[in-house]
Amino acid sequence: EDQVTQSPEALRLQEGESSSLNCSYTVSGLRGLFWYRQDPGKGPEFLFTLYSAGEEKEKERLKATLTKKESFLHITAPKPEDSATYLCAVGDMDSNYQLIWGAGTKLIIKP
Amino acid sequence: DAGITQSPRYKITETGRQVTLMCHQTWSHSYMFWYRQDLGHGLRLIYYSAAADITDKGEVPDGYVVSRSKTENFPLTLESATRSQTSVYFCASSADGYGYTFGSGTRLTVV
Repeated sequence: EDQVTQSPEALRLQEGESSSLNCSYTVSGLRGLFWYRQDPGKGPEFLFTLYSAGEEKEKERLKATLTKKESFLHITAPKPEDSATYLCAVGDMDSNYQLIWGAGTKLIIKP
Repeated sequence: DAGITQSPRYKITETGRQVTLMCHQTWSHSYMFWYRQDLGHGLRLIYYSAAADITDKGEVPDGYVVSRSKTENFPLTLESATRSQTSVYFCASSADGYGYTFGSGTRLTVV
C-alpha cells in the first residue's frame, strides 16, 4: 500500500539554526515527489518536484533531496518567515494524478 | 487577475441543505482537483478532472458531485450536507497533473 510519512510532526528552531525535515515513502513506482509549504489559513504553495534518486532542487534557504526511500528538505539558516507547515506528496505510476500526502511537519522559527 | 479563486471563503449551512463551492482558474489548466483538509487526515482528494467534461472520483467522493462544463470552472456540490462534511475545502489546478496551484480554500461548517 502506498504510504507517505513525515517526521518530525513539529520542529522548533532558533533563527539561523539549520535542520532537515524527512519524508519517507512507499510506492510501487515513483512518478514524482512534491514539496509544498502551507501557511495558516492558506492553500499549500508548490515548492519542488523531484523525479529520481539523487536529484536535488534548491530555492533560497531550502534544498530538497531524494533517495529511493525518502526525501529531505534541508533548511539552512532559517528566518522567522520560513515558519509554516511543510507537506510532502508522492505520485504513483499506477494512480492517475492521485497524490498520496503526508501529514506535514509544522516548522516554527523563533527570532 | 490571473490565478485560482474559490468562493465563498467561509460558509455555514444546515444539515440536509445543498451547497455549492465554486472554483475558477484563469490559466486554462487542463487538470483541476478538489481536496478536503481535516486535522488528523491531511489532504484527501474528493474529485479531479483531466479536461472539460471529464471527471473522476478520488479517495473520498461520497456525498459530493462535480461538473466541468468549462475548462476554467470546477464547482463542487454537497447534495445533502452532513456534519462530517465540515472541513476546509481546497481547489487546485495544474498544467501537467502534478505541480498544483491551490486556491485559498473554503471553510465550510455544517450545523
